[in-house]
Amino acid sequence: NAGVTQTPKFRVLKTGQSMTLLCAQDMNHEYMYWYRQDPGMGLRLIHYSVGEGTTAKGEVPDGYNVSRLKKQNFLLGLESAAPSQTSVYFCASSLEAGTGSETQYFGPGTRLLVL
Amino acid sequence: GQNIDQPTEMTATEGAIVQINCTYQTSGFNGLFWYQQHAGEAPTFLSYNVLDGLEEKGRFSSFLSRSKGYSYLLLKELQMKDSASYLCAVINSNYQLIWGAGTKLIIKP
Repeated sequence: NAGVTQTPKFRVLKTGQSMTLLCAQDMNHEYMYWYRQDPGMGLRLIHYSVGEGTTAKGEVPDGYNVSRLKKQNFLLGLESAAPSQTSVYFCASSLEAGTGSETQYFGPGTRLLVL
Repeated sequence: GQNIDQPTEMTATEGAIVQINCTYQTSGFNGLFWYQQHAGEAPTFLSYNVLDGLEEKGRFSSFLSRSKGYSYLLLKELQMKDSASYLCAVINSNYQLIWGAGTKLIIKP
């Protein structure tokens, strides 16, 4: 089992460029999440999905879009990158929520630098 | 608002014991997690508490008091590899996970 994987591992963008971050999990988890992590701050939820074909906004959704066309994949898109989006992005998945199975498993992260 | 408070940084000596505290104020409570995160790596699950009391797992133990909005992570027989950040996270009434900023633990020989 690979668990949760993310691509790419590192990317440099210029302001205004767009890109897509890919997350894949092979644990048959229903829930998937995208977080950003900035120095001195806790993980902040960008968007999440409670199942294939569903998405919902988290704490900091502006400037990002997501899609969950397949259960195992969760894509995060930056439409027009800004320097404020320089961060480390983590994808996570969990079996479900609200039943004691909320443990989230994280991917290795994507380091994004926007110039 | 919802808030999770943890010390920013702690220092301890190899072989010693350290306690990392977490206090929380959230809209409801459905459980509390502790995660470990080594520099440049992903967070990994350490413990989950939903009832009051102490949960022991090897060298690591986690305690919860729901009435006080308080938890701690206790690390015994510290090893150099325990140098990492420790993240406290609470599940609120909407089953959303609210994360603390983490405590950076530095272990000295």
